[in-house]
Amino acid sequence: GNSVTQMEGPVTLSEEAFLTINCTYTATGYPSLFWYVQYPGEGLQLLLKATKADDKGSNKGFEATYRKETTSFHLEKGSVQVSDSAVYFCAGDNYGQNFVFGPGTRLSVLP
Amino acid sequence: ETGVTQTPRHLVMGMTNKKSLKCEQHLGHNAMYWYKQSAKKPLELMFVYSLEERVENNSVPSRFSPECPNSSHLFLHLHTLQPEDSALYLCASSQGRAGGYTGELFFGEGSRLTVL
Repeated sequence: GNSVTQMEGPVTLSEEAFLTINCTYTATGYPSLFWYVQYPGEGLQLLLKATKADDKGSNKGFEATYRKETTSFHLEKGSVQVSDSAVYFCAGDNYGQNFVFGPGTRLSVLP
Repeated sequence: ETGVTQTPRHLVMGMTNKKSLKCEQHLGHNAMYWYKQSAKKPLELMFVYSLEERVENNSVPSRFSPECPNSSHLFLHLHTLQPEDSALYLCASSQGRAGGYTGELFFGEGSRLTVL
């Protein structure tokens, strides 16, 4: 079945540091890929998405590129802020058949 | 109100109680979901309703009983729960699975359940 693997963390960075959170997927076909973010005390919200190979999703300074050859969708941000502290979930979906989340990566950004 | 609203935000119940969680979406979506989020475990999909019909039930114990009276409302009825059922229960909605699927789930803020 479909599955998503991501680095478990926690990840602790200083403000303005570079962030990478790795995510790889296993799926039949070519799923749409997503990054969701969960701020403390809130539900998950979509951060960015990509629906086909080589697509780049971006939002709030975060980026991720759908790499078919490596089945990856790594999340990156050039300069993190304290307000980026949250749990980040990689997810994949094969046209509504099976929406799968990774385990989540907790990010703490220190001032 | 917009988005997905869940009530109550916090619930404490004994193992013999009966309670319900409520979810309401104001997005015009036709699919709704219940997820369970426990500490140090991946998100677990519990139930999926599409066009008010249950289309997925992931081996959830019968002490959890979902109800979807219309496309905007989803309930999770709770009865004789166990302490290990303590978790954050998240409701989500999407435009799909039946046509027009956009691939995005919209989540509520969750109901934090504690079973004593």
